[in-house]
Amino acid sequence: AQKITQTQPGMFVQEKEAVTLDCTYDTSDPSYGLFWYKQPSSGEMIFLIYQGSYDQQNATEGRYSLNFQKARKSANLVISASQLGDSAMYFCASLDSNYQLIWGAGTKLIIKP
Amino acid sequence: DTGVSQNPRHKITKRGQNVTFRCDPISEHNRLYWYRQTLGQGPEFLTYFQNEAQLEKSRLLSDRFSAERPKGSFSTLEIQRTEQGDSAMYLCASSRQNKGGYTFGSGTRLTVV
Repeated sequence: AQKITQTQPGMFVQEKEAVTLDCTYDTSDPSYGLFWYKQPSSGEMIFLIYQGSYDQQNATEGRYSLNFQKARKSANLVISASQLGDSAMYFCASLDSNYQLIWGAGTKLIIKP
Repeated sequence: DTGVSQNPRHKITKRGQNVTFRCDPISEHNRLYWYRQTLGQGPEFLTYFQNEAQLEKSRLLSDRFSAERPKGSFSTLEIQRTEQGDSAMYLCASSRQNKGGYTFGSGTRLTVV
């Protein structure tokens, strides 16, 4: 079975600094891609970025970029120039062969002013 | 398109009562998913529909839980004889078949007292 591991239960980062959130996947077939979602305290799950496993370049979306290293089976999220509004839970997820999301346990990110 | 809509946003109910939640997906999405999320955890898959057909149901979904999507559009999730352990955020998401992009609703937060 697929498994997504997020080893950082919580992180504190100073405002304006870059932050890297770790994610590793354990699957024999990563062909369905990897996602990052943000969940603020309001509870809504907000899509941030997607990396197709066969994409040649790392995905970027504004301040979000994905550091995808196939050999290490890692798909770390990098947030540049962090803002107070970035404080939230962040989840890494992948699709299984039935196109269902497999979730990591999440990382709670707190941005300090 | 207004995205995925869930109602109600919050529900407080007494133990033993029945509750029903509604999810309106993005209109052109034929897949609809229900997830449950407890505090500090990632979402847990409950069930999903492709059009009106319920294709998979998690073992987490006891006999007290039932979901329907009668016309392949909106879906309802009913919990009968609620228990305190049912207190959680219930998230709905939709997607196009075989396409990775999931869109989540804002969730329904259930509190059983």
